[in-house]
Amino acid sequence: EVQLVESGGGLVQPGRSLRLSCAASGFTFDDYAMHWVRQAPGKGLEWVSGISWNSGSIGYADSVKGRFTISRDNAKNSLYLQMNSLRAEDTALYYCAKAPGSSGWFDYWGQGTLVTVSS
Amino acid sequence: QSALTQPRSVSGSPGQSVTISCTGTSSDVGGYNYVSWYQQHPGKAPKLMIYDVSKRPSGVPDRFSGSKSGNTASLTISGLQAEDEADYYCCSYAGSYTFRVVFGGGTKLTVL
Repeated sequence: EVQLVESGGGLVQPGRSLRLSCAASGFTFDDYAMHWVRQAPGKGLEWVSGISWNSGSIGYADSVKGRFTISRDNAKNSLYLQMNSLRAEDTALYYCAKAPGSSGWFDYWGQGTLVTVSS
Repeated sequence: QSALTQPRSVSGSPGQSVTISCTGTSSDVGGYNYVSWYQQHPGKAPKLMIYDVSKRPSGVPDRFSGSKSGNTASLTISGLQAEDEADYYCCSYAGSYTFRVVFGGGTKLTVL
């Protein structure tokens, strides 16, 4: 059974940093691209970032480019999102999602980890 | 990097059909056959309903179908059931040299 478990969320002050993790199991992690998608409270889904199976291809939404860094450790079956210079508008539930290919669709999602940016 | 355009809400009675549109540009919806649709119930993670414009993952009822014409994709749900009431999001690949994905703003489906 595919499982994606996010962690690392919490309350953080504006301008500070946070690192999210996603632990994957139930599939061959290094065969698949992985993505982060977020959802602000009461709002829609927003793609944040994606990374190919071998980290050779990476993309970011304009809203986070230069502040967030996606990475993965295939030996640990883990995906990460380093979030720097956090802003109030980054407050959201952050989902980790598995992507079967490079075509940008997601077949499995985690339950999300909540990030709240507030002073 | 603008979001794809979806109607805010649609509604239908049990047994009827509804169609949700998703309008993008030639850089996303119109440029690739990589449109997907997700269903999200309150407090739950999104669930994949359609991928590659019109393909259904196993386990998704054939009442759900997808199509695309030009820069607009559509999700049609036939034989509406009460459990179909949820938010629906379209999504499209939008990158040529790197990963880039864009979602629609979401559509609330109400089953009357």
